[in-house]
Amino acid sequence: DIQMTQSPSSLSASVGDRVTVTCRASQGISNSLAWYQQKPGKVPKLLIYAASTLQSGVPSRFSGSGSGTDFTLTIDSLQPEDVATYYCQKYNTAPTFGQGTKVEIK
Amino acid sequence: EVQLLESGGGLVQPGGSLKLSCAASGFTFSTYAMTWVRQAPGKGLEWVSAISSAGGSTYYADSVKGRFTISRDNSKNTVYLQMNSLRAEDTAAYYCAKPGEQWLVFRHFDYWGQGTRVTVSS
Repeated sequence: DIQMTQSPSSLSASVGDRVTVTCRASQGISNSLAWYQQKPGKVPKLLIYAASTLQSGVPSRFSGSGSGTDFTLTIDSLQPEDVATYYCQKYNTAPTFGQGTKVEIK
Repeated sequence: EVQLLESGGGLVQPGGSLKLSCAASGFTFSTYAMTWVRQAPGKGLEWVSAISSAGGSTYYADSVKGRFTISRDNSKNTVYLQMNSLRAEDTAAYYCAKPGEQWLVFRHFDYWGQGTRVTVSS
């Protein structure tokens, strides 16, 4: 089975900072990768799919990149409303989620 | 507007059974595969099961294979998850999720239900 490993598991950054979360697949998955945001007590929200395609309605400060085994979610200018846990998900075969990255404001 | 409404969760003893339902609206249900994802309290997301658009193909995580059965009724726009031989580790919020593309089973999920909570405890 393909494993998805996210790093870091948590981070603290200041408002306006650029934040980067990485996701590594144990085998190549082409660009079959999505990113989700889950705020406390809420349902996951799709941010990015196909590694770099921004879901409709998602702010442009979110972006994704990568292909194969290494992927990145970037928040260009962290906002207070971005406090959440972020998950990657591969879907070339049966879906697997990363363990999550908790993003907090410093 | 796409809506997914789960129901059927509750408290059940270890070894017991429960059947979850997810009623869908706002899209052509019969052209989309459907998926169940769960989240244990304070933990991450875990894919549980998926079913093709016509219901002819089903898929399960190893952790539930042989105990859970996914099905759907396209005349009722509803997907189900029959859960048998429940264990404490099945305690979670169970979400149904719609893929972002028609026909394909393994995809990103653009809509999620609000979830239904399952607690397995004596």
